[in-house]
Amino acid sequence: AQRVTQPEKLLSVFKGAPVELKCNYSYSGSPELFWYVQYSRQRLQLLLRHISRESIKGFTADLNKGETSFHLKKPFAQEEDSAMYYCALRGNTDKLIFGTGTRLQVFP
Amino acid sequence: KAGVTQTPRYLIKTRGQQVTLSCSPISGHRSVSWYQQTPGQGLQFLFEYFSETQRNKGNFPGRFSGRQFSNSRSEMNVSTLELGDSALYLCASSLAGASGGLKYNEQFFGPGTRLTVL
Repeated sequence: AQRVTQPEKLLSVFKGAPVELKCNYSYSGSPELFWYVQYSRQRLQLLLRHISRESIKGFTADLNKGETSFHLKKPFAQEEDSAMYYCALRGNTDKLIFGTGTRLQVFP
Repeated sequence: KAGVTQTPRYLIKTRGQQVTLSCSPISGHRSVSWYQQTPGQGLQFLFEYFSETQRNKGNFPGRFSGRQFSNSRSEMNVSTLELGDSALYLCASSLAGASGGLKYNEQFFGPGTRLTVL
């Protein structure tokens, strides 16, 4: 079965602290993994995808097929990073399977 | 370019009624997907339409249905509403159909329609 698990509902850190939002997936083939972000009163938007292997707004995520994980990391959190973060999986169609999301709160 | 638009933005209905939600994709986008977002279940895929055909379907009862028109605009309908149908319904559009292909076409999300069932 296709599944995405985000174990933390809420993650609170202080500004400047490192952040790691966890994501584990279950999929029998070779999925594509994504991180989507939803800032307060804004639309859900794509943050990054594993294929691009890029850093967006200081965030990076590495696909670990052995551990079936795609954790999102940032070395120094900023207040403007406060948002809901969703990990998502795409199998062999354009259907996205989302995790339940992690709310990141960055305190000043 | 205008983004994905959804109408209405807010809707209040009572149990047993039916409702129709509308989604206008970004110009040139041919694929439209629908998702249900609730606090308990998060984002769940409802269905995807491409070129007026339903191409993918999630695990929702038959009360949930949709369609796509020749201009790529899409509607979803929920009949015999239940309290548990209260949710934010999101629509997302993407450029072209890549089902089964290697290229992922980024989905752009609309603001959602918040449905409250009383």
